[in-house]
Amino acid sequence: GQNIDQPTEMTATEGAIVQINCTYQTSGFNGLFWYQQHAGEAPTFLSYNVLDGLEEKGRFSSFLSRSKGYSYLLLKELQMKDSASYLCAAYGPNQAGTALIFGKGTTLSVSS
Amino acid sequence: DAGVTQSPTHLIKTRGQHVTLRCSPISGHKSVSWYQQVLGQGPQFIFQYYEKEERGRGNFPDRFSARQFPNYSSELNVNALLLGDSALYLCASSLSAGSYGYTFGSGTRLTVV
Repeated sequence: GQNIDQPTEMTATEGAIVQINCTYQTSGFNGLFWYQQHAGEAPTFLSYNVLDGLEEKGRFSSFLSRSKGYSYLLLKELQMKDSASYLCAAYGPNQAGTALIFGKGTTLSVSS
Repeated sequence: DAGVTQSPTHLIKTRGQHVTLRCSPISGHKSVSWYQQVLGQGPQFIFQYYEKEERGRGNFPDRFSARQFPNYSSELNVNALLLGDSALYLCASSLSAGSYGYTFGSGTRLTVV
């Protein structure tokens, strides 16, 4: 079966650091995506991890452990505009074809 | 450069009706995938098309169908609409069926009343 778990909501203040965790169980796995989605808008690509370890891209970093079925997205120096939903998605072959399997998303609220 | 374009942006339909949603991929992308996103949930995979052939299908009833045209644009059709079909329908394009470089369109917001 396919299962992607991430927290429903998180809150943080401007300038802080927040870590959004994601655990996954999928029948086929090539890699792990993180997307950002503002309300009513399309998901936008943040990161894609294939190998274990940390990938850093500006204020955002993403980590993957394939053996543990675990990933996290780290957001540093939070800004108000970072308030959004963050979607974890496993990519790989499964009974439906090769597709993205998304978690339910984590709504992050950044306050001043 | 144009991104993935979807039409219409918003739509209101009555239960039992039929709806057609349209998607134009990024120029050069030959694969289109459709996702349904119910409010408060993550997107759920419906279909993937590549070179006009269905390459993947999610766990959706036969009321949902799609096709891809020679210019790689795509249509998603939903028959006998139910209230539960109300959602944001997202289209994503990629270079090929096995390519993970997805770009999403802004979606079509379907409301069934």
